[in-house]
Formats: sequence, structure tokens, C-alpha cells
Amino acid sequence: EIVLTQSPGNLSFSPGERATLSCRASQSLSSTYLAWYQQKPGQAPRLLIYGASSRATGIPDRFSGSGSGTDFTLTISRLEPEDFAVYYCQHYGSSHSCSFGQGTKLEIK
Amino acid sequence: QLQLQESGPGLVKPSETLSLTCSVSGVSISSGSFYWGWIRQPPGKGLEWIGTTHFTGSSYYKPSLTSRVTISADTSKNQFSLRLSSVTAADTAVYYCARLDYEYSYYYGMDVWGQGTTVTVSS
Repeated sequence: EIVLTQSPGNLSFSPGERATLSCRASQSLSSTYLAWYQQKPGQAPRLLIYGASSRATGIPDRFSGSGSGTDFTLTISRLEPEDFAVYYCQHYGSSHSCSFGQGTKLEIK
Repeated sequence: QLQLQESGPGLVKPSETLSLTCSVSGVSISSGSFYWGWIRQPPGKGLEWIGTTHFTGSSYYKPSLTSRVTISADTSKNQFSLRLSSVTAADTAVYYCARLDYEYSYYYGMDVWGQGTTVTVSS
């Protein structure tokens, strides 16, 4: 099982700033199987990015994903008030094994 | 409009079996490229994948839960279910069902989620 480590656990930014969230895998993985989710309090997660860099339907273009191998990044170019939430990376492999990172909480400074 | 809705008891006693159902509307669970999954979230903690099923009968589970979990699809009712046996307080969580888009070895993510249902394990 691939272990995903998200660091740091908490980040503080002001609206309008650029935020970069990190996700590191315990072994190299195909970017095909890397996704990112946003979760707000009391809500189900929402798919943001799949295939490491493809935006899901309806996701604003201020969200972008990148990376390969063991290091992946979610970037929010200009933070809007509604972007302050918890973000999870996820690996879903070809053998149908799945793991989530522990999450990064994006807070308003 | 595609919707997923979890249902089942909100309170389960220790050592008993937790049973939840996810009812799917707006799409047939027999749609070939889709898989159907269960994910849970203990209070104040992160997401944990439990397992995934396909309408053909294939199911895949988190290794640490394999001995206690069964996930299956019922195409006649357009729903899929989760059974988790021998529960303890550690199984207390919000349980989500979700659709997985996975086609030709390309993973498009868990793109539709239920609202979640809280299950508490307590005597």
C-alpha cells in the first residue's frame, strides 16, 4: 500500500495569495492514479484534480495540479474565501488499492 | 441528476455487524466504466478508503479490513452495500459512498459522493 504524506498539516494564507500544497508518495507512482479533493466542514469531499493535473468538471482554473514520481503539488493561484478548506491527495492504483494523504488544512491568515 | 444516498442504522453495538446501503439514482450501476466505493472518516480525522465494487461482482478492500468487510452491488435495486463485522469504537465514523470513474486503466477520480451518514459504535 502506497503511503501518501501531505505537508504541512496546516497552512495559513490571505485571500488573493498563491498556495502550494504538497503530497509525497512512499514509492513512485503513475500520475494517472493521483487525485486531489477539497472538503469543507460538514460536507462530502469534492473532486478537484485527477490524473495529477486534469481539472474535474466545473473546477475553476485557479486550481492546478502537477508532479510525477513521488512528488505531487496542488496549486491555488489566487485564493478565494471559499477555498479555505481541507485538501486531500489520493492514490488509486491499477490493482484497485487506494490510499489518502492525511490532509492539509488551508486556513485564513 | 446523479445522486448517491447512504442509509442504515446510526448506532451499532460493539461486536455486531454494521450494514449500510448506497442508493444510486440518475445512472445505472451497471454502467461499465464505473466502480462504486465506500470511504469513511472518523471524527476529526482524515479519509479512509474501505473498498470498491463493480457490478460484475469484483470487489477490492483495504488490506487491514479484508477479514471484516464485504461490499457488493445489487443491480436489480441499483444500489450497493457495505457490511463490516465485529465492529468496535474505532469504526465510529461518517461513512460515504462514492462513484469511481475508472476506465481502461485510467483513474478519473471519485467524482460523485453521497452526503455521508454517521455511524456510532456504542453499547
